[in-house]
Amino acid sequence: DTGVSQNPRHKITKRGQNVTFRCDPISEHNRLYWYRQTLGQGPEFLTYFQNEAQLEKSRLLSDRFSAERPKGSFSTLEIQRTEQGDSAMYLCASRFTRDSTEAFFGQGTRLTVV
Amino acid sequence: AQKITQTQPGMFVQEKEAVTLDCTYDTSDPSYGLFWYKQPSSGEMIFLIYQGSYDQQNATEGRYSLNFQKARKSANLVISASQLGDSAMYFCAMRATGANSKLTFGKGITLSVRP
Repeated sequence: DTGVSQNPRHKITKRGQNVTFRCDPISEHNRLYWYRQTLGQGPEFLTYFQNEAQLEKSRLLSDRFSAERPKGSFSTLEIQRTEQGDSAMYLCASRFTRDSTEAFFGQGTRLTVV
Repeated sequence: AQKITQTQPGMFVQEKEAVTLDCTYDTSDPSYGLFWYKQPSSGEMIFLIYQGSYDQQNATEGRYSLNFQKARKSANLVISASQLGDSAMYFCAMRATGANSKLTFGKGITLSVRP
């Protein structure tokens, strides 16, 4: 068990380009969360999955954002037509609801839109 | 709606001293959990300690303890015997006992430990 893994760690992209991030949760964890953290703020909830089902999306998640978790394993977060306001740290967390209270976070993907 | 308030702009503590990081919260949910996470410069959120709203005793985890005052809606983190490696951002967070169990975070507090 190597913890939650996120790739890439850093991404610089030009405005208008599409980007995709990947999150590999801890293997037996059934819940997977995506958060966004801007400079000087705490993480804000974006969306979460219970196994492969996406059960909630925040109002922060505009139509340009899409997330998937095929087969209930890894997850991807795609941002289309990136804007400078999308620059942030994107954090993934996972949790096994039956026996743990805390969520385990990955190291995040830092996105810079230029 | 849930809200976490962390108003201390930055804290400094001498190595080996104790420090208290403040957190107040607001919620209408009868059952909830309170968390503290540490975020070093590497970016990973590291879980420190958890307190359930119905727990009678304050939570402790090694050098970390949570001073939970339910009536005042406060959940302050106490770090004893500070170490240089404790220098980081610290976030207080809340989770309602409900379907999605998402975390609501405060803005965080920067802690700097001086040698």
